[in-house]
Amino acid sequence: TQLLEQSPQFLSIQEGENLTVYCNSSSVFSSLQWYRQEPGEGPVLLVTVVTGGEVKKLKRLTFQFGDARKDSSLHITAAQPGDTGLYLCAGALQGGSEKLVFGKGTKLTVNP
Amino acid sequence: KAGVTQTPRYLIKTRGQQVTLSCSPISGHRSVSWYQQTPGQGLQFLFEYFSETQRNKGNFPGRFSGRQFSNSRSEMNVSTLELGDSALYLCASSLSASRSILGYTFGSGTRLTVV
Repeated sequence: TQLLEQSPQFLSIQEGENLTVYCNSSSVFSSLQWYRQEPGEGPVLLVTVVTGGEVKKLKRLTFQFGDARKDSSLHITAAQPGDTGLYLCAGALQGGSEKLVFGKGTKLTVNP
Repeated sequence: KAGVTQTPRYLIKTRGQQVTLSCSPISGHRSVSWYQQTPGQGLQFLFEYFSETQRNKGNFPGRFSGRQFSNSRSEMNVSTLELGDSALYLCASSLSASRSILGYTFGSGTRLTVV
């Protein structure tokens, strides 16, 4: 059973379009992180959200943590080919051992 | 500062052989975690080492083992390789106590192919 479900699994869009990817769970997390992974490389941390309802913006990327701290979303405005990659969410379980659990990721392709 | 260094980058082994992968964490990071990444299962946690002690372990068979040295460098070993062990093995270093906030810094991974 996957603790963190990400959707969609694959997304292919044209440059300039907007998109949202989701990360959902039935478990409560003390924090949730988003990473981007490019082919042949390890994941790179984009953001950490900690407070329920929190919204963080990183240029054209907007991250939201659900009020109940069970879900999160990533919205990209005016996507560019450089946004192409695998987007992974990772959560630290509340009361857990600091081990991060990862979703399977959303593979985003932005076509020029 | 230098990032997380994993060696080798690519490896091809035959079934039944064993393999050792190496990871040098960011200077000052004492926690090293290992993950297996496959297209079907995503990132699966193998184990975590902190100050030369295994602190957490995932649900992998005993063929998968690891260790950490006094300089925080870590190795993982897979014995009696199976075709299903083909994957990208990622090492992640962290300031252990703040992982849930500061996250991991990952290496580029070792791509293991078992034939």
